Amino acid sequence: QSALTQPASVSGPPGQSITISCTGTTSDIGTYNFVSWYQQSPGKVPKLVIYDVHKRPSGVSNRFSGSKSGNTASLTISGLQTEDEADFFCASYTSDKIFVFGGGTKVTVL
Amino acid sequence: QVHLVESGGGVVQPGKSLTLSCEASGFSFSKYGMHWVRQAPGRGPEWVALIYYDGSNKYYVDSVKGRFTISRDNSKNTLYLQMNSLRAEDSAIYYCASQGYDSSGSYYYYAMDVWGQGTTVTVSS
Repeated sequence: QSALTQPASVSGPPGQSITISCTGTTSDIGTYNFVSWYQQSPGKVPKLVIYDVHKRPSGVSNRFSGSKSGNTASLTISGLQTEDEADFFCASYTSDKIFVFGGGTKVTVL
Repeated sequence: QVHLVESGGGVVQPGKSLTLSCEASGFSFSKYGMHWVRQAPGRGPEWVALIYYDGSNKYYVDSVKGRFTISRDNSKNTLYLQMNSLRAEDSAIYYCASQGYDSSGSYYYYAMDVWGQGTTVTVSS
């Protein structure tokens, strides 16, 4: 099972919106609505920010939103803040009944 | 408050075995599926294994099938990962993570909701 494909980096100035893509296949993202996104700040544990494509866990800012089209999922961060600087990873359930992560995207606030 | 604490990591020689534990508190452990996820230095997370809430089903990433065994003891609120025939490429921080509960939809979702702080496994001669 191959890893999901994410851009290495995405950046934007404070207040702007950015979108991170996560591309899989018909064996994972294209078939299942079990896409999740995780934020990991340096030296910290990953934190779940989106599950089931677009749902936010309690306590997660509504500036984070998720969507999916075909084999590609996306995470949008609106009103970018300096505290959003982190690595972001997508993950998906697959037809092999396992989970696969993306390689990660480094978000930089300019 | 949901709390997960991993233990059992350490330095081990290639080919040897190690058992990790994850002690849960602050939630109904026996109702939640549990994951093991690992992360090598400078790399992204890699999902390792999932066990259903009652231990009835277990799933593994291909690279650990036949070598690792996930299990749980709901009477002790503890998750385990038995790791045999360890390889250098198994070196990583190992995290346990719980599934989450969607209160509006009244269902347990697959994603890794709460994570422990991790325990480090180093496989080296």
